[in-house]
Amino acid sequence: QVQLVESGGGMVQPGRSLRLSCAASGFTFTSYGMHWVRQAPGKGLEWVAVISNDGSHKYYADSVKGRFTISRDNSKNTVFLEMNSLRPEDTALFYCARDRGAVVGAIRLEFWGQGALVTVAS
Amino acid sequence: NFMLIQPHSVSESPGKTVTISCTRNSGSIASSFVQWFQQRPGSAPTNLIYEDSQRPSGVPDRFSGSIDRSSNSASLTISGLKTEDEADYYCQSYATNAQVQGVFGGGTKLTVL
Repeated sequence: QVQLVESGGGMVQPGRSLRLSCAASGFTFTSYGMHWVRQAPGKGLEWVAVISNDGSHKYYADSVKGRFTISRDNSKNTVFLEMNSLRPEDTALFYCARDRGAVVGAIRLEFWGQGALVTVAS
Repeated sequence: NFMLIQPHSVSESPGKTVTISCTRNSGSIASSFVQWFQQRPGSAPTNLIYEDSQRPSGVPDRFSGSIDRSSNSASLTISGLKTEDEADYYCQSYATNAQVQGVFGGGTKLTVL
């Protein structure tokens, strides 16, 4: 079965960096696009970033563009989110999610991990 | 980008049918697929509907999705309501301008009383 396990969350000061990882298993990783979606405490879902199956296409929400970088290592079935210049408003539970396809012109989220909590505070 | 507008909350009794709307404020609802997710308290979201009206395997046929071009909206209908259906529900679509960006509705809290 599909498993997505996030790691790397924690508390960090404003302006600092953090890298999240998502280890995937139970499916052919190289066939699917992968996303990060976040949820601030008590709030709704916010899409953050996506990377296509082969890593050739990367797209970001306007709120994180220029600060966050999504990447993947297909040899290790892992997707990453490098977060720089963190702000208090970035505090959220960050979910890794798999798309239904490779991600070329469509976003159809399917399976989700359990999330990694990121807290940005001084 | 466009926004997806959902009612903040809906409530209905067990056994009844409820419909949650998701209205796109610009551009055609039919121009990009709509997905629906259920999120129970303390849990990750799960996919209920994809590509407007398709149901993943394992999702009960009490859940159905549709789009309405005249109101520029998508709808999630849950029939035969059960107390376990009490959860937050989110619609999701995407913008395809110079890049592809995901868009979520604000979420609807369903109370089954």
